[in-house]
Amino acid sequence: GAGVSQTPSNKVTEKGKYVELRCDPISGHTALYWYRQSLGQGPEFLIYFQGTGAADDSGLPNDRFFAVRPEGSVSTLKIQRTERGDSAVYLCASTKGVGNPGELFFGEGSRLTVL
Amino acid sequence: GENVEQHPSTLSVQEGDSAVIKCTYSDSASNYFPWYKQELGKRPQLIIDIRSNVGEKKDQRIAVTLNKTAKHFSLHITETQPEDSAVYFCAASPLSGGYQKVTFGTGTKLQVIP
Repeated sequence: GAGVSQTPSNKVTEKGKYVELRCDPISGHTALYWYRQSLGQGPEFLIYFQGTGAADDSGLPNDRFFAVRPEGSVSTLKIQRTERGDSAVYLCASTKGVGNPGELFFGEGSRLTVL
Repeated sequence: GENVEQHPSTLSVQEGDSAVIKCTYSDSASNYFPWYKQELGKRPQLIIDIRSNVGEKKDQRIAVTLNKTAKHFSLHITETQPEDSAVYFCAASPLSGGYQKVTFGTGTKLQVIP
């Protein structure tokens, strides 16, 4: 597609449930990022993929969070045993790739609400 | 890791006046400094960036300055217009292990009063 696509755009779930958020990056972009944005805050780095591998997952807050990118394109962020504090907008971004600082192309985000 | 601080958190200016947003960073390895604009309910979008080999860059009404010695950089918007109203984020990125990890500031909500 022309831009980064994220689904669902909105997700409401109950505390303790499992959630998956999907990101489809710009075609040809090898680098993919997940960020979390809480109300009134800047995007907070979660994890970065270069191709299929997670190059840096240092931003994942705990072991309830996990992300995969099995074929080097679409990525899924998985959150187990959701907590109310997980409520935020989860942003995905892609860029051209390694060693090339440049524009992050963001998706519209997935707004997660944990009741 | 990198820490980016941004201020002010909110800024109100009259239409036509200038607006300045300032950021500091902690990691001397950072060499790329983008600025993103996020309108309400929208995705962040790059408006301008600067690399460490230059001290200033300008694009129409927007300019960025960088002081690597002091580890701070600023966004300047001149002749502000109502459509400039948005949240602005600065960011810093070091090349680490061959890739870029972009760390964002906490944002400045700019309101341009007509």
